[in-house]
Amino acid sequence: EVHLLESVEVQPGGRSLRLSCAASGFSFINHAMTWVRQVPGKGLEWVSSISVSGATTYYSDSVKGRFTISRDNSNNTLYLQMNSLRVEDAATYYCARSPKRVIGYFDFWGQGTVLAVPS
Amino acid sequence: DIQLTQSPTTLSASVGDTVTITCRASQSLGSWLAWYQHRPGKAPKLLIFQASTLGPGVPPRFSGSGSGTVFTLTITSLQPDDLGTYYCQQFNNNWTFGQGTKVQLK
Repeated sequence: EVHLLESVEVQPGGRSLRLSCAASGFSFINHAMTWVRQVPGKGLEWVSSISVSGATTYYSDSVKGRFTISRDNSNNTLYLQMNSLRVEDAATYYCARSPKRVIGYFDFWGQGTVLAVPS
Repeated sequence: DIQLTQSPTTLSASVGDTVTITCRASQSLGSWLAWYQHRPGKAPKLLIFQASTLGPGVPPRFSGSGSGTVFTLTITSLQPDDLGTYYCQQFNNNWTFGQGTKVQLK
C-alpha cells in the first residue's frame, strides 16, 4: 500500500525548516515527487517538484530562491528545505507522487503537515 | 502562467442529485487536466486524469470530459461521502490548480 508521511524539522536558529516525506509501499526511485500547500481558507497551490534522479527541480515563483527540494532515493525520502520563511508560507504542506517518472498529475498524496510561521 | 477558473465556487445539492463543475483554462491544455477531491482533514484524492480517465478505485459516478480550454467534472447520484472541495489541475505547462469548488448539502 502506498504511504506518504510528512513531518517538520526546525533548523537551528528558528527561521529555517525542513519538511520530510517518508515514502513506503512503492518503488520511490521510479516516481517524480511534488510538494503542494494549502493556506488556511485557500485552495491548493503547487510549490515544487523533482525528477526521479533529483537532477531536475522546479519551483513556483513564490518560493523560488528560498526553498530547495531534494530527495534521498536510498532512504525513500523527499525533502523541502525552507529558508527565509515568511508569514504567508504558513500552510498545510502535502507531498504527492506522480504515477510515473514524468511529473504530470498526482496519484497519491500524504495527509499533510501543518507549518506555522511566527510573525 | 496558465490560469484555471472553476465554476461555481460553491455548489449546494441533495443526495442523489447530479452535479457538474466546470474548469476553464486561460490557454489550451489539450487533455492535460486532472480532477481531485479534497475532504476536510483528508489527503486529496485523484479522481480523473487526462481529462476523462477515471483514477484507480474511483466510483463510476464520477466522470470527466472536455479538451482544450473547457473541462467538466460530473458526479451522478451524489452521495454523502462526496461532500468536499473539488479542484482541477493542469499539467500542460508547469502545474496549476483551480481555486476549488465546494460541494455541500442543500
